[in-house]
Amino acid sequence: EVMLVESGGGLVKPGGSLKLSCAASGFTFSSYAMSWVRQTPEKRLEWVATISSGGSYTYYPDSVKGRFTISRDNAKNTLYLQMSSLRSEDTAMYYCARVVDGFAYWGQGTLVTVSA
Amino acid sequence: DIQMTQSPASLSASVGETVTITCRASENIYSYLAWYQQKQGKSPQLLVYNAKTLAEGVPSRFSGSGSGTQFSLKINSLQPEDFGSYYCQHHYGTPPTFGAGTKLELK
Repeated sequence: EVMLVESGGGLVKPGGSLKLSCAASGFTFSSYAMSWVRQTPEKRLEWVATISSGGSYTYYPDSVKGRFTISRDNAKNTLYLQMSSLRSEDTAMYYCARVVDGFAYWGQGTLVTVSA
Repeated sequence: DIQMTQSPASLSASVGETVTITCRASENIYSYLAWYQQKQGKSPQLLVYNAKTLAEGVPSRFSGSGSGTQFSLKINSLQPEDFGSYYCQHHYGTPPTFGAGTKLELK
């Protein structure tokens, strides 16, 4: 069974940093591209980042480029999202997802709240 | 970026009814369109990819159609577990973008 378990969310002040993790199991992690997708309080879904299976290629929307960094450790079956210079508009539930023709599997999410 | 416009925003229906949700892309995305279902308090689940291919384990009462810029998700004979929110998303390159969602409620 494919399982993705996110952790690391919490309350952070504007301008602060946070690192999310996603532990993967039930599939060959190193064979798949992975992404982070967030859902805002208004329930809008937004793609945040994607990393290739080997980790060599990363992709971001303009809204987070230069502030967020996606990475992975294939030996540990773990995906990461380092977030810095956080803004109130980054407040959301953050999901990791396996990428194959869309986002085939999602974790349960970890909540990030950016507030003073 | 490709914009995805989904309609209706909300829909009320009864168990046993058939409903259709539509999604329009701002440019040609061929058949690179996915649909997701999200129930209250849960993460989204993939229903359909490549416009018409059902994801593993998805009941056959769900069907996707369309290509180019116009797409639809049809649910035949609604079941109690089908009520929730539905989102379309293009997977034609980067950035992948989502529709605003359709909330399907019990009448």
